[in-house]
Amino acid sequence: SQTIHQWPATLVQPVGSPLSLECTVEGTSNPNLYWYRQAAGRGLQLLFYSVGIGQISSEVPQNLSASRPQDRQFILSSKKLLLSDSGFYLCAWSSGTTYEQYFGPGTRLTVT
Amino acid sequence: AQSVAQPEDQVNVAEGNPLTVKCTYSVSGNPYLFWYVQYPNRGLQFLLKYITGDNLVKGSYGFEAEFNKSQTSFHLKKPSALVSDSALYFCAVTKKWDKIIFGKGTRLHILP
Repeated sequence: SQTIHQWPATLVQPVGSPLSLECTVEGTSNPNLYWYRQAAGRGLQLLFYSVGIGQISSEVPQNLSASRPQDRQFILSSKKLLLSDSGFYLCAWSSGTTYEQYFGPGTRLTVT
Repeated sequence: AQSVAQPEDQVNVAEGNPLTVKCTYSVSGNPYLFWYVQYPNRGLQFLLKYITGDNLVKGSYGFEAEFNKSQTSFHLKKPSALVSDSALYFCAVTKKWDKIIFGKGTRLHILP
């Protein structure tokens, strides 16, 4: 069966510091991968998605970036965090043949 | 452009009563519809989907949803609510080879 991991689970970082969040998927190959941000326990904002290694599409211009160095690894980064980057970050995957997405446990980021 | 609306921010239901969480959508062409549930500080869990076929779709934890094309709705239902059903519920829509759009979420409170 497929599983999706995210780490760290929680993170407290000062403004201006760098960020690296990691997501990995097991039990499938060539998944579509997604990064979302959820503010205040409500709606989801799609940040990035990837259909293959090195292929990244950005949905919202901001100080975040994403990379996919391996087939089942998706990384969200920032060079300098802003207060507005605080939130709950969710990684998700989907297969190329079905449409539903499966989510990881999330990372709670607090920028102080 | 496709969109999805969850008209209720919160729904309160007594334990043992039937529950309904409403969702309406707008998409050109045939919609693919989904329901997800999110417990506090957790990722979203996939409940059920409608792609084609029978308008009544059964999913996890005793939930079901009814696709109504004329009313462009996909309401989530359960015959008898449990306290453990209390959570945040998201409806989502997409069409073939397009991105999933999530609703803003409905918070379901089951009162003991």
